[in-house]
This record gives sequence, structure tokens and C-alpha cells, in this order.
Amino acid sequence: GEDVEQSLFLSVREGDSSVINCTYTDSSSTYLYWYKQEPGAGLQLLTYIFSNMDMKQDQRLTVLLNKKDKHLSLRIADTQTGDSAIYFCAEDPLGGGYQKVTFGTGTKLQVIP
Amino acid sequence: DTEVTQTPKHLVMGMTNKKSLKCEQHMGHRAMYWYKQKAKKPPELMFVYSYEKLSINESVPSRFSPECPNSSLLNLHLHALQPEDSALYLCASSQASAGEGQPQHFGDGTRLSIL
Repeated sequence: GEDVEQSLFLSVREGDSSVINCTYTDSSSTYLYWYKQEPGAGLQLLTYIFSNMDMKQDQRLTVLLNKKDKHLSLRIADTQTGDSAIYFCAEDPLGGGYQKVTFGTGTKLQVIP
Repeated sequence: DTEVTQTPKHLVMGMTNKKSLKCEQHMGHRAMYWYKQKAKKPPELMFVYSYEKLSINESVPSRFSPECPNSSLLNLHLHALQPEDSALYLCASSQASAGEGQPQHFGDGTRLSIL
């Protein structure tokens, strides 16, 4: 499968904005997801974007997509300590009656009070 | 609260034991998935069921045996596991219609430890 790359670690102060980056590889139409995983829990879907969109905003979350560079970012405004978790981007090329999602390597977000 | 329920939350078993992991969803999803996740790594796909039929087996060893008894339930039968099989096992479900881009919904997983 194709590689989906993320930086491993990000540390921010409470109240600042966090930006988590992801580089994907599929050049066809695709859905791109952001998941959050807290310790001892499963993956929680945060938001997703289709590759014909440039931006999607959902409350404190903003997703930006640069199709030319195959670069996806998740901005969390006013970051809180409860946002500390591992964040995975995931790529889902269309097709089939199910999804074969490729997950990124994950970014651990540490929020300093 | 997750809409995908996995039981048990924790399981410790010896290498000669037989046990089963269970997953249930009532969202009407017709695709269900098993993933294995090691610490600090992304989930690795094991199996996909679509309309209760096995669609993908990612070359998983036969000591893992999936079963989909109906559209709401997914089981993973375990037998003669190895210590390296210790991991978090995640179940997920999604719509099974191509092109809709409906995301997968995950359960909280079963933490499996092999002694």
C-alpha cells in the first residue's frame, strides 16, 4: 500500500493553536479522515474531507487540503489539555463495497497547561 | 460513547487457550473490520466483511479465525496464539456502498495479552 506520512510529535501550550500535518500519496479521488486516539481507547472520527474540497471547518477544527502537494493539515484552535492524544490521518480511495483505508503513522499531541 | 461495542475490554490468555473477541454495531453498517494495533503504531487491517461475506484477508495467520454470524455481529476466534500477538484489537464498521466515503466507526478495542 501507499505510505501516509505524519510527524511523530507535537507539543503546544494550552490556548494556542495546533497544526498537525499529513502527506498522502494517492493521486485519484479520495476521502481523507482525521481520527483521534486517547490512551486505552479506540479511534474517534473527528472530521473528513473529500479531495475536491480545499477546506472544511467544524467548530475548533479546520482541515486544509493542498491537492497539488498531496498535503493535508488539521488545525485545532484554542487547544485544551483534553486534546492530548495521538492523531491519525487516513486515506480512502473510492471503490469497492467497503473501505481499504491507509492510516498515517500518527502524531502524538502533547498539550502543556 | 462509541456505537461499536467490543467485548471483553481486556483478555489474558495462554498460548494453548481458545478464546473469542466479540464486536457489535447497530448502525445498519454492512461492512465490518478487524484491525490489530501495536503500541504507538497505526492500526493494521486484518479482515474485512462486506454483507456478511469475507472480502479481505490480509494474509493473517490461521490462528486468527473471523466470523460474521449476522449483519450486526463480528467475532474473532483465537487459538494457539503467540506472544507477538499481544496487541489492541479494534473492530470497526462502515457503510458498504462504494463512492459514499462513509467513514469507519471504531470500538474501544480489546487489549489482548498472551502469556
